[in-house]
Amino acid sequence: NAGVMQNPRHLVRRRGQEARLRCSPMKGHSHVYWYRQLPEEGLKFMVYLQKENIIDESGMPKERFSAEFPKEGPSILRIQQVVRGDSAAYFCASSSGTNTDTQYFGPGTRLTVL
Amino acid sequence: DQQVKQNSPSLSVQEGRISILNCDYTNSMFDYFLWYKKYPAEGPTFLISISSIKDKNEDGRFTVFLNKSAKHLSLHIVPSQPGDSAVYFCVSRNSGGSNYKLTFGKGTLLTVNP
Repeated sequence: NAGVMQNPRHLVRRRGQEARLRCSPMKGHSHVYWYRQLPEEGLKFMVYLQKENIIDESGMPKERFSAEFPKEGPSILRIQQVVRGDSAAYFCASSSGTNTDTQYFGPGTRLTVL
Repeated sequence: DQQVKQNSPSLSVQEGRISILNCDYTNSMFDYFLWYKKYPAEGPTFLISISSIKDKNEDGRFTVFLNKSAKHLSLHIVPSQPGDSAVYFCVSRNSGGSNYKLTFGKGTLLTVNP
């Protein structure tokens, strides 16, 4: 009974490169959320997706960041032209049918931008 | 503008004693509160929650108290065990349309000494 899976666990990129973070929700979950944790901070909401739909991306920077949750396959958080300030831990969470259900978090991807 | 405040970055207690973690919030729209626990290199794990219509919720060794007039909640762990050593996040959730959006405090690192 696998939980939320994220890969890679660690990702190192140079400034200007692209970062792709993947999240596979728990089995049976169709709601996915991405959060970012900067050093010494709490997690901050970025985006909420259901299959093939972005429901709320109000927490995501307007430029360089995008997210998708295709009909098949994992959810992807994509960061183009990374900058040092993008260095953070990125957590994915999933929940079952209703969006008020408990969110279960993956182990996170730690992105380091050199 | 931090809407959920955990003013103690760290707390150290002896095994068997009570741990009390505190949290204050500023947004009156928050109607549901959760505590998540996080071990290093893992994602946050749901621990316990409380609705704003209640003032106490208990689950085994964990009890959450809510003082709505003071916009304050606390998590009590008794008796504390070394395995409870982790970062504890106070989390709130809006009422209304964006109730999927979790707002995290910065966390309190609890260390339980044997």
